Formats: sequence, C-alpha cells, structure tokens
Amino acid sequence: DGGITQSPKYLFRKEGQNVTLSCEQNLNHDAMYWYRQDPGQGLRLIYYSQIVNDFQKGDIAEGYSVSREKKESFPLTVTSAQKNPTAFYLCASSISVAGDPPLHFGNGTRLTVT
Amino acid sequence: SQKIEQNSEALNIQEGKTATLTCNYTNYSPAYLQWYRQDPGRGPVFLLLIRENEKEKRKERLKVTFDTTLKQSLFHITASQPADSATYLCALLFFSGTYKYIFGTGTRLKVLA
Repeated sequence: DGGITQSPKYLFRKEGQNVTLSCEQNLNHDAMYWYRQDPGQGLRLIYYSQIVNDFQKGDIAEGYSVSREKKESFPLTVTSAQKNPTAFYLCASSISVAGDPPLHFGNGTRLTVT
Repeated sequence: SQKIEQNSEALNIQEGKTATLTCNYTNYSPAYLQWYRQDPGRGPVFLLLIRENEKEKRKERLKVTFDTTLKQSLFHITASQPADSATYLCALLFFSGTYKYIFGTGTRLKVLA
C-alpha cells in the first residue's frame, strides 16, 4: 500500500527543546514538502525538496531545518528558535513540483510545546 | 500578494441537496486549481484538479468550475450524504520562478441526515 507515513501522531515537548518529525514515503516521488496548519489559516509551506540532497525554504522556514539524504525520507526538525511551534504539521509528496499530479499528504503530527 | 478566500463559516446542508463551496483568488493567474478534502486530525486528500484553460470538471458526484475572469472556482457535491461532511480546501498552483501552492483556509461542510 503506497503512501506517506508521519510519526508520531502526537508529540509533546518542553520549550527550548529541539524535536524531529518523521516523514517517509514509498510512492517513489521526487518532491516532498512540509506544511504547517494552524486554525483559521491555510496550509503554509515550511520547506520543500525536489530531489535528494537538495531542499528550499518555503514561506515560514525560520526556526525549522530539514534534510533529504534519501528519496523516501524528509525529516523536519523544529528548533528552539521557532517562536510558536505548537501546530499541526503535514508532510506531502508529489511526482514533481509542477502540480499535476497533485500532492499526497500524510496524516500529520500534532506538536504541542509547553 | 496572492490570496485565496474560502467561506470560513461552516456550511450546513440537508442530505440529498447540492452543496456549493466557493474559492476566490486575487492577483496571479493560476496554472491549476485543486480541491482537497480534509477530515479532522487527518491530512488532506486530493479530489479534483482543473486547469486554467478548462471551465468545468466532473468526477462522480463532484463538479468543479473555474472562471478565470471572475477569479473564482465553485465546488459542487450533488446528492450530498452525511459521509461528505468534512473540510474542503482549495489550492491554487501558480508559477513564479518555480511552481508554488497557496491553500485556502477551507470550508467546513456538514450534511444533515
């Protein structure tokens, strides 16, 4: 069964700690993305990667970091520099960045920082 | 800057009726407009895509229209069912050096039995 797996589903951290969110896909997609979803706001792009060992900042990259060492994996680290990290984080993939075919999303990780 | 607006208020509709959701955008001309369904605590799931040169697209009980003059897309669910209750997101894809997505905030649809 092809898809995107995000883990864990819920994550709790203390302020000041870095935390890494996992995203794995077995769709053989080149492009991968990280979005953040907050109530009342559209999905906002954090980082995206078009190929292995390459990634680009999205609209709200400050306080986040990523790596793309393997095609299947695109982990996101939320650092202590991110001022408001509590949110629902979504990972997505697509065959390319051209928009057709569209994005496949994972089921998200809800991060709570206290 | 680019902006997408969806009706932020929830839409309640009686089972069997047609639900119509609106997506309005400003500025850039999109290459594609996509509609996704999102259930609580889950990731969005792709439903339909319509290109800038297409007026209408259908898939089973779903229909999407795209008016580039009005800068508006309408999403219709005919013969709605309680299982259609979810939040529906529109996403605009445009080219600005690279392809970029902008997502609307979504409209929550509730189909009443």
